[in-house]
Amino acid sequence: AQRVTQPEKLLSVFKGAPVELKCNYSYSGSPELFWYVQYSRQRLQLLLRHISRESIKGFTADLNKGETSFHLKKPFAQEEDSAMYYCALNNAGNMLTFGGGTRLMVKP
Amino acid sequence: GAVVSQHPSWVICKSGTSVKIECRSLDFQATTMFWYRQFPKQSLMLMATSNEGSKATYEQGVEKDKFLINHASLTLSTLTVTSAHPEDSSFYICSARDTSGNYEQYFGPGTRLTVT
Repeated sequence: AQRVTQPEKLLSVFKGAPVELKCNYSYSGSPELFWYVQYSRQRLQLLLRHISRESIKGFTADLNKGETSFHLKKPFAQEEDSAMYYCALNNAGNMLTFGGGTRLMVKP
Repeated sequence: GAVVSQHPSWVICKSGTSVKIECRSLDFQATTMFWYRQFPKQSLMLMATSNEGSKATYEQGVEKDKFLINHASLTLSTLTVTSAHPEDSSFYICSARDTSGNYEQYFGPGTRLTVT
């Protein structure tokens, strides 16, 4: 069975500090991983996916198959980054399994 | 970008009644839509996969007779909560997969259901 774990429910940092939101997964096949973000009172939206290897809003995430991790990183957090972040795994049936989510709070 | 709408955004109903929630893909076609449930301060839990023109696929533990799903067209899926009970109160979110593009899932804004 597939599983996505986000060990931190809340992560609080100061503006300008580095941020790392942790995500670990378990999946027997070849994983396709995503990070979704939900800003206050807005819908869930895709932030980035591992296959595109792109940087969105300064965030990057690298898939580490050895550690079965897909941590989200940003070198300098901004206040507007405050949101709920969900790591998700796409299985062969194109269904998403979500982690529990991490609330990021960036303090001024 | 692709937009998914849900209607209503908020509904209050009495125990024992049924409530229908609509999910529409506004500018793309979606042969597959997904229904999620989100409890306060918790993550999204997949309830079922809605397939256009065929029966929905329900996740383990989800009662298909209670949560009726109909995907009658390439742009509309409906979720009907039958004989609602207070424990059905939750935030219901749908997503639609753009099958003509990169198969990305686009999420609706959610529907908050309160059963009194």
